[in-house]
Amino acid sequence: QVLLVQSGAEVKKPGASVKVSCKASGYTFTGYYIHWVRQAPGQGVEWMGWINPNSGGTKYAQKFQGRVTMTRDRSISTAFMELSRLRSDDTAVYYCARDYDILTNCFDPWGQGTLVTVSS
Amino acid sequence: QSALTQPASVSGSPGQSITISCTGTSSDVGNYNLVSWYQQYPGNAPKLMIYEGSKRPSGVSHRFSGSKSGNTASLTISGLQAEDEADYYCSSYAGYSTYVFGAGTKVTVL
Repeated sequence: QVLLVQSGAEVKKPGASVKVSCKASGYTFTGYYIHWVRQAPGQGVEWMGWINPNSGGTKYAQKFQGRVTMTRDRSISTAFMELSRLRSDDTAVYYCARDYDILTNCFDPWGQGTLVTVSS
Repeated sequence: QSALTQPASVSGSPGQSITISCTGTSSDVGNYNLVSWYQQYPGNAPKLMIYEGSKRPSGVSHRFSGSKSGNTASLTISGLQAEDEADYYCSSYAGYSTYVFGAGTKVTVL
């Protein structure tokens, strides 16, 4: 069973950074891209970027360029998303999601989500 | 990269069919057959319902179908059931290894 398990909720002050983890199991970690997506309270879903767990290569949405860093640790089948210079409007649930299959350009399964609250 | 346009809400009675539209541009929806649809219940992560415009993952009901015409993709739910009441999001490949989502549509079963 393919499973993505994320780290727990975080509360951060404006200007700080947050690092969310996403541990994969049930498949070969290096075989599928991991995407990061966020959802502000009561809002829609926003794609942030992806990481290739095999090569470490990344692609970020233009909106997050310079503030987001996606990494992975192959030894523990875990992907990470770090967002810096946090603002109040970064308060959201952050999800990791795997490529459904090679070249399908869609996302499934998803992690359970990590709530990041930015508040002074 | 602008979000894809979806109606804020769509409603229907049990047994009816409803259609949710997802309008993009010639740079995303219109240029690739790579639209996917997701169902999300409150407090849960989204779940893939349709990919590559019209394909259903294993386990997804045949009542869900997808199509595309020009820059607009559509998700149709036939034989509407109470359990279909949820938020639905479309997504499209947008070129240069990037993706874009719609703002979401709340489906209400009357």
